Amino acid sequence: AQSVTQLDSQVPVFEEAPVELRCNYSSSVSVYLFWYVQYPNQGLQLLLKYLSGSTLVKGINGFEAEFNKSQTSFHLRKPSVHISDTAEYFCAVDSGTYKYIFGTGTRLKVLA
Amino acid sequence: DGGITQSPKYLFRKEGQNVTLSCEQNLNHDAMYWYRQDPGQGLRLIYYSQIVNDFQKGDIAEGYSVSREKKESFPLTVTSAQKNPTAFYLCASSMVEAAYGYTFGSGTRLTVV
Repeated sequence: AQSVTQLDSQVPVFEEAPVELRCNYSSSVSVYLFWYVQYPNQGLQLLLKYLSGSTLVKGINGFEAEFNKSQTSFHLRKPSVHISDTAEYFCAVDSGTYKYIFGTGTRLKVLA
Repeated sequence: DGGITQSPKYLFRKEGQNVTLSCEQNLNHDAMYWYRQDPGQGLRLIYYSQIVNDFQKGDIAEGYSVSREKKESFPLTVTSAQKNPTAFYLCASSMVEAAYGYTFGSGTRLTVV
């Protein structure tokens, strides 16, 4: 069975500092991987996705993620965060059934 | 513009009452989903539908019901059998190909009073 683990429930970081949000998954088959962002009282918005090919994926708002098959990870990074990046971030995995499994989320708090 | 519309944004219900949450999409997506979101628990799948007039239970279907009579619409009814219905409910849709990702609505916050 598939599963997704986001180890950090909250990540505080100062403005203009780099950030990494961790995501590990468990699956015995090839997967699609996604990162979504959720602002307060809103739905989720797709940040980026890995389907195949290059392991470094670039998304919106300056975010990027790297797929590491051997470590079954898909960590999200941004070299310099802004106050507006404060939100909750969800990692999700799908094995082609289009029934996604979501992680429990990581709250990113950007401090001035 | 295409998208998913959830209504209402906020909903209050008395214990023992059924309530229906609306979800409409104009993206021509085949698949639609209902998720429940509670703090610290991420998103949990309630029901999903891949085609009109067909739907399947997700991980936490007890106390909920759905219908899919039209491609554009996938309403969720929270019944009185749902023991803890206060939560944020999210509707999503996708094309048949999972690679395109989900499109989410803006959610309905249900509070039982």
